[in-house]
Amino acid sequence: GAGVSQSPSNKVTEKGKDVELRCDPISGHTALYWYRQSLGQGLEFLIYFQGNSAPDKSGLPSDRFSAERTGGSVSTLTIQRTQQEDSAVYLCASSLYRRGTSGRAGYEQYFGPGTRLTVT
Amino acid sequence: GDSVTQMEGPVTLSEEAFLTINCTYTATGYPSLFWYVQYPGEGLQLLLKATKADDKGSNKGFEATYRKETTSFHLEKGSVQVSDSAVYFCALSDVSQFYFGTGTSLTVIP
Repeated sequence: GAGVSQSPSNKVTEKGKDVELRCDPISGHTALYWYRQSLGQGLEFLIYFQGNSAPDKSGLPSDRFSAERTGGSVSTLTIQRTQQEDSAVYLCASSLYRRGTSGRAGYEQYFGPGTRLTVT
Repeated sequence: GDSVTQMEGPVTLSEEAFLTINCTYTATGYPSLFWYVQYPGEGLQLLLKATKADDKGSNKGFEATYRKETTSFHLEKGSVQVSDSAVYFCALSDVSQFYFGTGTSLTVIP
């Protein structure tokens, strides 16, 4: 497709259940990011994938959160034993990775529409 | 480490008013700078960008100039419209990471 897609667009789940959120990045983009946006808040970085490198998981808030990226393309964010504080919009973004001379990076991220997760 | 600080909102303006949303950054290398916009109920969209000092990014009447001497990338528009009501995020990218400001909510009233 032309842009980043995410599914589902909305997910309502009961506290304690596991959920999986999917992201399809733009074809050819080697970098993929997951963010969380709580109501009225900014973006909270969760995890970053770049090619075949080990992902940067430094933003994951707890061990209930995990993510995979299969074949360098589609990514799944899994939240186990969901809690009410996990309710938020989960945004995925992808980008090319382009490092120019002198270490300059000029890529931009393209965002999907997000998945709104509500834990009841 | 690198970071972005942007003006807190919310900002409310009348239609056709002049807009400035301040953004300053801290970076050790040669970052690229971006403004993203998030319309109600939607994801983030790239509004404009600048990749080196003194570059000016512009789009849809919005402008921002990459000022290395003041480490700033302020967003401006000469005459806002109701349709500009959204949340605006300043962002910085270095070699491998992306940093976002906390967002500034803009409401334009007729």
